[in-house]
Amino acid sequence: DAGVTQSPTHLIKTRGQHVTLRCSPISGHKSVSWYQQVLGQGPQFIFQYYEKEERGRGNFPDRFSARQFPNYSSELNVNALLLGDSALYLCASSLELGQPQHFGDGTRLSIL
Amino acid sequence: QKEVEQNSGPLSVPEGAIASLNCTYSDRGSQSFFWYRQYSGKSPELIMSIYSNGDKEDGRFTAQLNKASQYVSLLIRDSQPSDSATYLCAVKPSGNTPLVFGKGTRLSVIA
Repeated sequence: DAGVTQSPTHLIKTRGQHVTLRCSPISGHKSVSWYQQVLGQGPQFIFQYYEKEERGRGNFPDRFSARQFPNYSSELNVNALLLGDSALYLCASSLELGQPQHFGDGTRLSIL
Repeated sequence: QKEVEQNSGPLSVPEGAIASLNCTYSDRGSQSFFWYRQYSGKSPELIMSIYSNGDKEDGRFTAQLNKASQYVSLLIRDSQPSDSATYLCAVKPSGNTPLVFGKGTRLSVIA
């Protein structure tokens, strides 16, 4: 069975641009969460979606938004990119809320 | 603010030894606890989950949970160089609160 898939793998943007990151959960998983991880830190929670509804939002500015589609895939959008947005963006899926989360390989975003 | 604390390391152990990784958490109502392994440049990989007090064993890995002390640990027996990675502790606090990760402990197993 396929694991969590994320695209693209790497992305280079400049300040002020916007970016869309995509995630497909493990088949049958209804919950998708997004995390930001910078070097030397643990993943920081950005959003959680379950059955297409937002179930949690971390301490990130409104430039960050996300959605979940009927097939449970998800997009993370970031507008007006800043240098500080450079990080590894991780998507994780779980069967249900509160169940163990499984991570995709991540999207490494670099802002120049 | 829900917090999860880990010693950042590096923790160095010789090959074949037991590696002991520790984690404390602030929310006494937390119910679910997870250990992830993250190799450099890779994404976290779930290796253990534990929900009740006591020990849970899976192969060379043992997770230990003590809710009274708000403490969770991971033991790796017969450590191998391939176990060298950063180990992340993650805790699901009470209520509608997302998973909280520690900063991770870097483990180095010396051949």
